[in-house]
Amino acid sequence: AQKVTQAQTEISVVEKEDVTLDCVYETRDTTYYLFWYKQPPSGELVFLIRRNSFDEQNEISGRYSWNFQKSTSSFNFTITASQVVDSAVYFCALSEDNTDKLIFGTGTRLQVFP
Amino acid sequence: GAGVSQSPRYKVAKRGQDVALRCDPISGHVSLFWYQQALGQGPEFLTYFQNEAQLDKSGLPSDRFFAERPEGSVSTLKIQRTQQEDSAVYLCASSLDAYEQYFGPGTRLTVT
Repeated sequence: AQKVTQAQTEISVVEKEDVTLDCVYETRDTTYYLFWYKQPPSGELVFLIRRNSFDEQNEISGRYSWNFQKSTSSFNFTITASQVVDSAVYFCALSEDNTDKLIFGTGTRLQVFP
Repeated sequence: GAGVSQSPRYKVAKRGQDVALRCDPISGHVSLFWYQQALGQGPEFLTYFQNEAQLDKSGLPSDRFFAERPEGSVSTLKIQRTQQEDSAVYLCASSLDAYEQYFGPGTRLTVT
């Protein structure tokens, strides 16, 4: 069965701190996709990244970076030099090769204080 | 360009009433998904359409839930005889391919 676990319910940091959001997944498939979405207070989910199971290369996009480790079934997300606008709920999600539906974790609420 | 739109944004229903939630996907998007998001939880998959075909409805919690997309564009999620446990935000997403699902703002349903 597929499952996504985000053990951190809430994280609070002060602006300019680095913060890492953890994501652990479970799947029996060898081909699968991992995602991160941001949900700001407005409620609309915003796509951040998709990685497939064959690409373990870490990715950096501006202040965002992602660390994918199949050995530990983790797909962690780091925000460098956090800003108040980063305050949101962040969801990690999984989809398997034979379906496009997303399996979401319970989310991590990030609060960045000035 | 226009994103995914949903209406109404808020709906209050008395227990036992029927409700209909509408989703207008991005023009040309083949795939359409419905998710249910309870307070403090992640979205949970309800159902999936490819054009007008409902390919997966495994997430619908009961036979009170029904979704349709008759012309392969606009979709409606209908909930019959609403119960308090149906209170949630209902999210619609559309996708041109499997790479990225674009989400709408959601409909917040409160059943009193």
